[in-house]
Amino acid sequence: DIQMTQSPTSLSASVGDRVTITCRASQSINIYLNWYRQRPGKAPDLVIYAASTLQSGVPSRFSGDGSGTDFTLTISSLQPEDFATYYCQQGYSFPRTFGQGTKLEIK
Amino acid sequence: DVQLVQSGGDLVQPGGSLRLSCAASGFIFSSYAMFWVRQAPGKGLEYVSGIRSNGGRTFYADSVKDRFIISRDNSKNILYLQMGSLTTEDTAVYYCARELDSRFDHWGQGTLVTVSS
Repeated sequence: DIQMTQSPTSLSASVGDRVTITCRASQSINIYLNWYRQRPGKAPDLVIYAASTLQSGVPSRFSGDGSGTDFTLTISSLQPEDFATYYCQQGYSFPRTFGQGTKLEIK
Repeated sequence: DVQLVQSGGDLVQPGGSLRLSCAASGFIFSSYAMFWVRQAPGKGLEYVSGIRSNGGRTFYADSVKDRFIISRDNSKNILYLQMGSLTTEDTAVYYCARELDSRFDHWGQGTLVTVSS
């Protein structure tokens, strides 16, 4: 199985800050990497797919980068609704696997 | 609009069984692979099971293999997860999700399964 490792596991930031979350795959997954945002008590929402493509309706302050084994999710200017937990997920092979999550908290 | 409406979550005793359902609308259900993902209390997301659009192939996490069965009824637009030999480790919110080109682009609202005596 492909292991997905995110860092950091938690992050404190302020509204307006720029933050970056990293995801590393245990083997190459090309660009089959997706990012999800999960607000407390809610289902996850797709934010970025294919490593760098913005899901329809997601604000342009979100961006993704990377290929192979190393990927990043960047939020350029944090808004209050962005404080949530973010997960990466590989769609390269079965079983689909998720990172352990990064909890983004208000400083 | 795409909608995935889940039902079936409940409190069940260890060793028991339960069937979850996910009713789809707003898209051609028979054209998409579908998946179940779960989240234990305070934990991250865990892939559980998947099924191809025509039901011809199924996938399971090792943690549920031989205990859970995923199926679908394309005539009724419903996805199922039959869960058996449940343990406390299976306590979680279970989500169904539609897969489009290797990404989960729509999710159900989640249903809570609690395994406890």
